[in-house]
Amino acid sequence: QVYLVQSGAEVQRPGASVKVSCQSSAYSFTDYYVHWVRQAPGQGLEWMGRINPNTGVPTYAEKFQDRITVTRDTSINKVSMEMQRLRSDDTAVYYCATARYLPGAFDHWGQGTLVAVSS
Amino acid sequence: SYVVTQAPSVSVAPGQTARITCGGNDIGGKSVHWYQQRPGQAPVLVVYDDTDRPSGIPDRFSASNSGNTATLTITRVEDTDEADYYCQLWDPSSDEQVFGGGTKLTVL
Repeated sequence: QVYLVQSGAEVQRPGASVKVSCQSSAYSFTDYYVHWVRQAPGQGLEWMGRINPNTGVPTYAEKFQDRITVTRDTSINKVSMEMQRLRSDDTAVYYCATARYLPGAFDHWGQGTLVAVSS
Repeated sequence: SYVVTQAPSVSVAPGQTARITCGGNDIGGKSVHWYQQRPGQAPVLVVYDDTDRPSGIPDRFSASNSGNTATLTITRVEDTDEADYYCQLWDPSSDEQVFGGGTKLTVL
């Protein structure tokens, strides 16, 4: 059973923006934190940010504070992550993941979305 | 920000026990979670809240967390356990989620 479905792969130029979405028919995003995690080729997992299920307020990792925006549309149960001013080292697989509470584990993950940044 | 350290690799023969550690200052005071990631796949939660297993995870997987070290233990290691393993926690000081760098488990 697929719990989180992400949008498809993207190829973008340096300096452009990209928006990756995450949707669920199994979970309401007003009940779960939705986190964004990325993984560059051959590298580890890196947390980027999350959105609070109760308030809809996002929190970002300091590293990405000025470049990402996480939003949600509760009418269609979708969360999106937009990254601006892309660089080649932003090439990575981007995952969304859910957690029931703030210190809680990421219990379900999307399939991942490859974002390739190349001129 | 809070730093979590994992050894890059661990090797173990089939049937033996693998121990993967996650080090951090007073990590025992935080709730640690563990993920398994096979090549080309999304991570899968194998242990949450220091010691609990999600349904469907074999009881060969167990974990502990005390002092400055959290440990994931895999007993009776099988070929299918070969994967990268990551620890993760929430740091209330920075209000950020933190991942360890990951440990590649090789089954010899």
